[in-house]
Amino acid sequence: AQTVTQSQPEMSVQEAETVTLSCTYDTSESDYYLFWYKQPPSRQMILVIRQEAYKQQNATENRFSVNFQKAAKSFSLKISDSQLGDAAMYFCAYRSRWGNTPLVFGKGTRLSVIA
Amino acid sequence: DGGITQSPKYLFRKEGQNVTLSCEQNLNHDAMYWYRQDPGQGLRLIYYSQIVNDFQKGDIAEGYSVSREKKESFPLTVTSAQKNPTAFYLCASSIGTPNTEAFFGQGTRLTVV
Repeated sequence: AQTVTQSQPEMSVQEAETVTLSCTYDTSESDYYLFWYKQPPSRQMILVIRQEAYKQQNATENRFSVNFQKAAKSFSLKISDSQLGDAAMYFCAYRSRWGNTPLVFGKGTRLSVIA
Repeated sequence: DGGITQSPKYLFRKEGQNVTLSCEQNLNHDAMYWYRQDPGQGLRLIYYSQIVNDFQKGDIAEGYSVSREKKESFPLTVTSAQKNPTAFYLCASSIGTPNTEAFFGQGTRLTVV
């Protein structure tokens, strides 16, 4: 079974600075997706970024980028120019590419942004 | 607009009662999922369904039941056998294979009183 580990329960960052959230995962599969979801105080889950394991290029979405290290099974999220609206819970998730299988989530990292 | 609708947003249950949480999607997605969220626990899978009239247990299915009679609907019943039902419940759906991301509803906060 796949597992996802987020080792930082809480993080904080100064507004306009950069922060990196860590995620590691365990799988025997070679073809899969990795995701970062954001859950603001409204508790609505919002997809931040997606990475396909077969792509070597790291995914980027505006101020959000990932560092995907497939051999190390590491998938960190970098938030640049942090804004107050970035304050939220961030969940790392894994999903097999085939089979309509569910997402497997880490326990989350609570990010605070300091003005 | 397409999306996933969960209702109600808040639900109160007396001990010993069964309650049903609603989840409806108009995204034409094949798969639907129920997750439970507790502080410090992340999202844990309760049940999922890959097609109509079929569903599988997740990691914490005890005390819960589901049905999938229509593609659009995947209700979750929290039975009296669930010893600690107070939690935030999230429903999600996704398109068929190859898998991509899942889309989530707004959630239901269930409290036992």
